[in-house]
Amino acid sequence: GQNIDQPTEMTATEGAIVQINCTYQTSGFNGLFWYQQHAGEAPTFLSYNVLDGLEEKGRFSSFLSRSKGYSYLLLKELQMKDSASYLCAVFDNYGQNFVFGPGTRLSVLP
Amino acid sequence: ETGVTQTPRHLVMGMTNKKSLKCEQHLGHNAMYWYKQSAKKPLELMFVYNFKEQTENNSVPSRFSPECPNSSHLFLHLHTLQPEDSALYLCASSQDRGGRDTEAFFGQGTRLTVV
Repeated sequence: GQNIDQPTEMTATEGAIVQINCTYQTSGFNGLFWYQQHAGEAPTFLSYNVLDGLEEKGRFSSFLSRSKGYSYLLLKELQMKDSASYLCAVFDNYGQNFVFGPGTRLSVLP
Repeated sequence: ETGVTQTPRHLVMGMTNKKSLKCEQHLGHNAMYWYKQSAKKPLELMFVYNFKEQTENNSVPSRFSPECPNSSHLFLHLHTLQPEDSALYLCASSQDRGGRDTEAFFGQGTRLTVV
């Protein structure tokens, strides 16, 4: 079966660091993607992992452990504009499609 | 602007109406997707087209009918919908089917309300 889990909501303070976890079980695996989606807008691509380890891109980093079916997105120096939903997605090369998690709604407070 | 354009942005239709959603991409991608996003639910894959051929139909009711006349355009034809079909419908495209530099690019979506 296909299953991706993320926390539903998280709250953090401006300037802080937050880690959003994602666990997955899919038929196939050819990459894990993180997307950001502001309310009423399209999801936009943040990061991609296919090998184990950490990928860093500015204030955002993403980690993958394929053996554990686990990823996290790390956001540093949080800003108010980071308030959004963060979607974890796996490209299932068995089903040949992107499988999305439910999304984590992050609220950044002043 | 992601390079994927959807029209209309908002649509209100009665249960007996027929309407179509349009998606257009000029990114040179060969895969296009329709997703449904309901409140507090994950993105649900509806249809996948690769090189204009439908490769996935995720148990979608027949009142939703996709059409892909070429690799740049994708339509979703709607008829006799139900109120529970009200949702945000997102179109996406990607190059190849997975792997580095093949992330999905999303359109802004069509907010559909069935009355």
